[in-house]
Amino acid sequence: GQQLNQSPQSMFIQEGEDVSMNCTSSSIFNTWLWYKQDPGEGPVLLIALYKAGELTSNGRLTAQFGITRKDSFLNISASIPSDVGIYFCAGLHSGNTGKLIFGQGTTLQVKP
Amino acid sequence: NAGVMQNPRHLVRRRGQEARLRCSPMKGHSHVYWYRQLPEEGLKFMVYLQKENIIDESGMPKERFSAEFPKEGPSILRIQQVVRGDSAAYFCASSPLQGSWAVGEQFFGPGTRLTVL
Repeated sequence: GQQLNQSPQSMFIQEGEDVSMNCTSSSIFNTWLWYKQDPGEGPVLLIALYKAGELTSNGRLTAQFGITRKDSFLNISASIPSDVGIYFCAGLHSGNTGKLIFGQGTTLQVKP
Repeated sequence: NAGVMQNPRHLVRRRGQEARLRCSPMKGHSHVYWYRQLPEEGLKFMVYLQKENIIDESGMPKERFSAEFPKEGPSILRIQQVVRGDSAAYFCASSPLQGSWAVGEQFFGPGTRLTVL
């Protein structure tokens, strides 16, 4: 099945550092979503992007919808220990299929 | 303002038994989606349902798996004659209706962790 290539696979950073992760696809998406998942829990929606070139922020998080509509990135500024978790990108094609395609996830660890 | 609710949170079954997973969408949401997640992997789409209708079941295995979203009550994902390979976390998501199209944002429940012995 179709996959999104998400990188990096894991990151281990110092508290206060900025973080960047991205997703790429061979096909076009009309919607990009970024989720965070804590152990034993479901994914929590962080940011939704609907237009090519769109740049959206949610607190210390900023995400962009790539101009080609085949990629997206997520930045976290001034990381804190509670940022620890797995971050997933997900894309949605046009129409009403409702089928989200997920990346493999980026595991973030923050050292206090 | 309750979110998506799933039960049970943990389910243990022996090979050959049936597993029933339930999902209640967020209030006002009329679209339900089921995903499966294996350890260390992303979520994989299984099925998309509206009330009394299956819209897209392209991710459902052809045998033993079925899903429904009745007019009244929660959505049910049913796995018959479970095998060890069915062990996974199963997540339900819901989204609101905007016009005649489901809004892209999907909100997830806490999941049901199925273990097949």
